[in-house]
Amino acid sequence: LAKTTQPISMDSYEGQEVNITCSHNNIATNDYITWYQQFPSQGPRFIIQGYKTKVTNEVASLFIPADRKSSTLSLPRVSLSDTAVYYCLVGEYDKIIFGKGTRLHILP
Amino acid sequence: DAMVIQNPRYQVTQFGKPVTLSCSQTLNHNVMYWYQQKSSQAPKLLFHYYDKDFNNEADTPDNFQSRRPNTSFCFLDIRSPGLGDAAMYLCATSSLRTSGVYEQYFGPGTRLTVT
Repeated sequence: LAKTTQPISMDSYEGQEVNITCSHNNIATNDYITWYQQFPSQGPRFIIQGYKTKVTNEVASLFIPADRKSSTLSLPRVSLSDTAVYYCLVGEYDKIIFGKGTRLHILP
Repeated sequence: DAMVIQNPRYQVTQFGKPVTLSCSQTLNHNVMYWYQQKSSQAPKLLFHYYDKDFNNEADTPDNFQSRRPNTSFCFLDIRSPGLGDAAMYLCATSSLRTSGVYEQYFGPGTRLTVT
């Protein structure tokens, strides 16, 4: 199973763009890359998913290089409410391991 | 709104006393998952159902069992809770699409306290 490595924590300021990078060196051919956001005492919430290149939705962008050994979640113009833990997952629907996550703290 | 519902939100049980946590969904998803999340840790997958097929993670203790009587409901049974089983238990669902792309919808969780 592909293991993911993310920074333990990050700080940023309101209005800034935040990029969180995840390493997954042994990603398998069938694996997708998925990011979740979790607030305290809540279940994780799906942000974005991709297989290769770039994916964008109304919340974030996901950049995946050609070798797929890493991915970067980009959050444009963050606000205080984006303070949360962000998890990068790699796998198929039945082979899911949450990494330790990145605790993002947005400062005013 | 379609959603994943977990009851109760908070559950207190005594050491060794069996407890059941419940999850229901209105999304009609074919896959349901149970996760355990301890304080300041990532969610850990315990098992999942693909339709009626039960799939246990290799390191899930035998103390944890699950039932899925129909598409909408799934239960987590802890036969003899220990102090180490105190955690948030998260239920999630997904609909496996033919492309293999999926997203999981999580419930709010049940926080279990063992006294």
